[in-house]
Amino acid sequence: GENVEQHPSTLSVQEGDSAVIKCTYSDSASNYFPWYKQELGKRPQLIIDIRSNVGEKKDQRIAVTLNKTAKHFSLHITETQPEDSAVYFCAATPPLDDMRFGAGTRLTVKP
Amino acid sequence: NAGVTQTPKFQVLKTGQSMTLQCAQDMNHNSMYWYRQDPGMGLRLIYYSASEGTTDKGEVPNGYNVSRLNKREFSLRLESAAPSQTSVYFCAGSTQGGNTEAFFGQGTRLTVV
Repeated sequence: GENVEQHPSTLSVQEGDSAVIKCTYSDSASNYFPWYKQELGKRPQLIIDIRSNVGEKKDQRIAVTLNKTAKHFSLHITETQPEDSAVYFCAATPPLDDMRFGAGTRLTVKP
Repeated sequence: NAGVTQTPKFQVLKTGQSMTLQCAQDMNHNSMYWYRQDPGMGLRLIYYSASEGTTDKGEVPNGYNVSRLNKREFSLRLESAAPSQTSVYFCAGSTQGGNTEAFFGQGTRLTVV
């Protein structure tokens, strides 16, 4: 099955700075790459996703980039705010297969 | 709409006891999943059901069984609980496999003593 590695495991930034989280995947057939945010004590929720036919996608302060050749993708959060503090998970999925997640990144935004 | 609903929210078991975690969705999902979440290890797939009537093992299936009772319901059973199964369990559903957004239940915090 797919193997997803995520770095860093913890990230601390000052409010207003940018945060970048990186993931690598092993299965070159993977074609769907979502990112989930999990606030303390709550369920994971999708914040952005990208498919393999697209190199970059933006939604306000968040963006995701995908490098299929290198098999890595990244989440970028600009102008971070305290409410961005959470655990972020990346995932990768081959067609017609189950979703495998990275180990998560705990982001702390200091006011 | 309730979305994806899990019961119970909290449970304490003694080693060797059995229990079933229930999950139901009203989002017309074809695919359903059970994950466990442990500190530093992310979300690890236990079992999944790509469609009604089918189930498949994920990364960490040992010690668990599942039943896809119908399209709406997907249950997870621990036959003989062990302390290593202490975790937070999440059920999730998606329209069609892992290539579409997964919607998670609120989680079940299970402690095995």
